[in-house]
Amino acid sequence: AQKVTQAQTEISVVEKEDVTLDCVYETRDTTYYLFWYKQPPSGELVFLIRRNSFDEQNEISGRYSWNFQKSTSSFNFTITASQVVDSAVYFCALRGNTGFQKLVFGTGTRLLVSP
Amino acid sequence: DAGVTQSPTHLIKTRGQQVTLRCSPKSGHDTVSWYQQALGQGPQFIFQYYEEEERQRGNFPDRFSGHQFPNYSSELNVNALLLGDSALYLCASSRGSGPNTEAFFGQGTRLTVV
Repeated sequence: AQKVTQAQTEISVVEKEDVTLDCVYETRDTTYYLFWYKQPPSGELVFLIRRNSFDEQNEISGRYSWNFQKSTSSFNFTITASQVVDSAVYFCALRGNTGFQKLVFGTGTRLLVSP
Repeated sequence: DAGVTQSPTHLIKTRGQQVTLRCSPKSGHDTVSWYQQALGQGPQFIFQYYEEEERQRGNFPDRFSGHQFPNYSSELNVNALLLGDSALYLCASSRGSGPNTEAFFGQGTRLTVV
């Protein structure tokens, strides 16, 4: 069975602080895919990143960076110099390697960035 | 280029009634998946449609059914509504159904069962 755990229910920071959202996953697949999505109050899930299990290179995109560690089954997301517009619920998700695979989501972390 | 569109955006139904939710995928996408998101929870997979057939199904009762049309749009039907069916229903579309494809989500339909 596949499982994603986001232990942080809610995080509050002040603008310009750095913040890391944790994600731990479980899967028996040797090849799998990890995702992060952002859900603003409007409800739409916005795709942020996809990472393949065979590529452990960390990635940076502007103020966003992701740290994938297969040894600890973690795929953490860091926002540098947070902004009020970053306030949202963030979901980590996992997908297996065979066709027609569903996305398995964590319970999400609500990030509140205050001015 | 329109993204994934869902209708209606909000819906209030009475327990025991039936409801139909609609989804138009992003242009060029042929696979549609439906998810249920209860308040404060992550989305839960309901089922996926590709080539007008249900390809995979999550742990949902038969009261939940769907359909995909030749133009790739899709409907989610829920019969005999229960209070527990109140949730945000999200539609996601992708090009093909492989595990490496990126899923684009609509804004969802908020269903309230009273």
